[in-house]
Parts: sequence; structure tokens; C-alpha cells
Amino acid sequence: SAVISQKPSRDICQRGTSLTIQCQVDSQVTMMFWYRQQPGQSLTLIATANQGSEATYESGFVIDKFPISRPNLTFSTLTVSNMSPEDSSIYLCSARSSGNTIYFGEGSWLTVV
Amino acid sequence: AQKVTQAQTEISVVEKEDVTLDCVYETRDTTYYLFWYKQPPSGELVFLIRRNSFDEQNEISGRYSWNFQKSTSSFNFTITASQVVDSAVYFCALSPPNAGKSTFGDGTTLTVKP
Repeated sequence: SAVISQKPSRDICQRGTSLTIQCQVDSQVTMMFWYRQQPGQSLTLIATANQGSEATYESGFVIDKFPISRPNLTFSTLTVSNMSPEDSSIYLCSARSSGNTIYFGEGSWLTVV
Repeated sequence: AQKVTQAQTEISVVEKEDVTLDCVYETRDTTYYLFWYKQPPSGELVFLIRRNSFDEQNEISGRYSWNFQKSTSSFNFTITASQVVDSAVYFCALSPPNAGKSTFGDGTTLTVKP
């Protein structure tokens, strides 16, 4: 199994600012992902974090708004840039183990005021 | 294209009742993985089970059991003798074998009343 730690777990941010969320996995994983979950909704994939190269973004998400880094196999960051109230969501880091099980972090609850 | 349907948006039961959460999926892949996750009010997604498409054996883990029927593309989840702590949103998910994008259902909110 893989244990995924995210921080911050919660934050309240001012409109127009940026926040970086960190994700640390306790073991090597094949893939890392970032999801957004808006209130009462299902999960939406933002991007696949690629080690040492640019992330692969899903339709509707762009690098300027959600820059992602993955400098090594077990660590990734997601930045939510120039935040607006519509960015208020839970942001979830996910990792796929070598055994093809997909695990999630505890989530980062972001409120933009 | 992949699709996961959880037709039950909300279910409410009284403690000790059995409850089944339905999950129906669509995929063109011949090999794939199916998952169930629990999301309590605290927000984290707790992994419950992974099932490989080539393994149709049903699984039981304590009060939880899963019924995988490839012929009907369903992967249903039953909680026996439900407890208040089972109250959560439950997500079914489908993942291709080649590390591609996973598809999640909309979730079923289960409320277990004392």
C-alpha cells in the first residue's frame, strides 16, 4: 500500500493569491495525479504529474492556472494561481502503485474569500 | 470512452440494515480495474477494494462484500448490518490497465441512522 500525505489540509485564501499544495508518497509509485472535487460533486482529474517533465492536463485545465511539479517519484506540488471563489474545492493528490492500486491523500480543503 | 454510473444518489437506512450500493460501468478495454472508495465527512478518500477484470470472484471483508458481474458490467457493494460510522459518500471507479485516466461515478451518499 501507499500512504499519501498532503499539506496544507485546509486553508482560507484571499482572492487573487496563489497557494501551493504539497503531496508526499511514502513509497515509489508509477504515476501521480491531481484531482479537484467541488462541493457535492465527484472527482475531476486536473492533470497527471510527470516526473521531471511538464504535467499532462485534462481539458479545461491549463498550466498557467494549475502549475504542477514532480521532481522525483514520490513528491509533487500543485499550485492554484490567481484564485477566485470558484476555486474553492477539495484538491486531492492520488498515486498509482506498481500493483495498480490507486490511493488518495487526505485532501486539501481550499476556501477562497 | 469509459463511464461509471452510480444510479443511487442518496440512500438512507437504519442501523443494522443491509444496504447495497450499485455500480455499472462501460469500457471498451478487455482488461481493467474497478475500485470502491469511501469518503467520510472529513474528506479523505479511503481505498476499500480493487478488482481486476479477469477475476470475477466475489470478495468479503468483514461486513463488506462485493459482487462483480462482468456479464452485466456491474460491481455492487453490500454493507451488512450497517453502522452509523458507515455514513459517507461512496465512489465507484474504473481504471484502464495502462496507467491511463480513471473514471469515477458521481458517488452515493449513504446515511445510516441510529
